[in-house]
Amino acid sequence: DSGVTQTPKHLITATGQRVTLRCSPRSGDLSVYWYQQSLDQGLQFLIQYYNGEERAKGNILERFSAQQFPDLHSELNLSSLELGDSALYFCASSSRTGTGTQYFGPGTRLLVL
Amino acid sequence: GQSLEQPSEVTAVEGAIVQINCTYQTSGFYGLSWYQQHDGGAPTFLSYNALDGLEETGRFSSFLSRSDSYGYLLLQELQMKDSASYFCAPSGSARQLTFGSGTQLTVLP
Repeated sequence: DSGVTQTPKHLITATGQRVTLRCSPRSGDLSVYWYQQSLDQGLQFLIQYYNGEERAKGNILERFSAQQFPDLHSELNLSSLELGDSALYFCASSSRTGTGTQYFGPGTRLLVL
Repeated sequence: GQSLEQPSEVTAVEGAIVQINCTYQTSGFYGLSWYQQHDGGAPTFLSYNALDGLEETGRFSSFLSRSDSYGYLLLQELQMKDSASYFCAPSGSARQLTFGSGTQLTVLP
């Protein structure tokens, strides 16, 4: 158990819909990262927050957005969903930014039908 | 630019030693991390090398050569439970980890 929690575990929705994925980092960790992993693919970095502020952006679509709240939990919002958005979405946390050590949550498996 | 290469698949038998190589090209390189991921599971941190040389953690060791932009993960005394995907992930000036497609390790009895 990494100490990072993600909800929900599974999500099934339809094209065009909007969903929100939630992540709670390990106690004391200020950085939160979001990754997307499609079938048999590597992890694609989406976005990072550090202590409430956006720190870095990766290959995140304009239809996706995220934020980190004062209590340090983070939410990833996916809108106008397409079939290709079906993937595992992982959240990871670390105590500081720029570290090679990240602790991953169990992921949210999103299926868009 | 950025690039990352590691073998897509490696197969070995129980008790053997296997080495997974990784070559990278990353702007403003800081260090190289290794992660393990079992099917359907979350990636788990294995090791991080910021300096040249070998880091040992139990049955796993990781090596880095900054001048060669090269690293490897060495797994000794392979066990069936080591069957998983292994990702090398360099961190660069953007301080982000870049994950490739990983190496699928299959351990045979």
